[in-house]
Amino acid sequence: DSGVTQTPKHLITATGQRVTLRCSPRSGDLSVYWYQQSLDQGLQFLIHYYNGEERAKGNILERFSAQQFPDLHSELNLSSLELGDSALYFCASSPGTSVKETQYFGPGTRLLVL
Amino acid sequence: GQQLNQSPQSMFIQEGEDVSMNCTSSSIFNTWLWYKQDPGEGPVLLIALYKAGELTSNGRLTAQFGITRKDSFLNISASIPSDVGIYFCAGLENAGGTSYGKLTFGQGTILTVHP
Repeated sequence: DSGVTQTPKHLITATGQRVTLRCSPRSGDLSVYWYQQSLDQGLQFLIHYYNGEERAKGNILERFSAQQFPDLHSELNLSSLELGDSALYFCASSPGTSVKETQYFGPGTRLLVL
Repeated sequence: GQQLNQSPQSMFIQEGEDVSMNCTSSSIFNTWLWYKQDPGEGPVLLIALYKAGELTSNGRLTAQFGITRKDSFLNISASIPSDVGIYFCAGLENAGGTSYGKLTFGQGTILTVHP
């Protein structure tokens, strides 16, 4: 158990819909990272938040957005969903932003878009 | 963007055998990481490497950060059935000591260990 929690564990929805994935980082961690894992693209970095502020963006679509709240939990919002958005979405957390900090991954949310 | 080529894609070995996998990059990384992912779980960090040439062990696992900073390898000695899983290399960009948080992952190596 990494200490990172993600909800829901599974999500099934239809194309065109909007969903929100939630992540609670490990106690004390200020950084939250979101990753997408799909069969064709592998594991890809989406976005990084540190203490409520966006720090880095990766291959995140404009239809996707994220935020980190004052209590440090984070939400990833996916809108106008397409079939290709079906994937595992992981969040990870670390204490700060140092390169020597381990990113601890949550168990993921499996999204299926029908 | 950054590309990591990880090989082999899959390995089928007998229990007790040694395993080696590697990653190469088209550009320089300042940190190399090796993760293992079990089915239905998130990746778990195995070994982190921060300096070119660094050789680090974690039990039966040994990893090295290539001198050119464009490659890394992971060795598993005397494999056991619980080593089964997907192994990922990952590189981390670094600017002024602060992580961008932007891990770039290899495609993964699927390891199967036959008892």
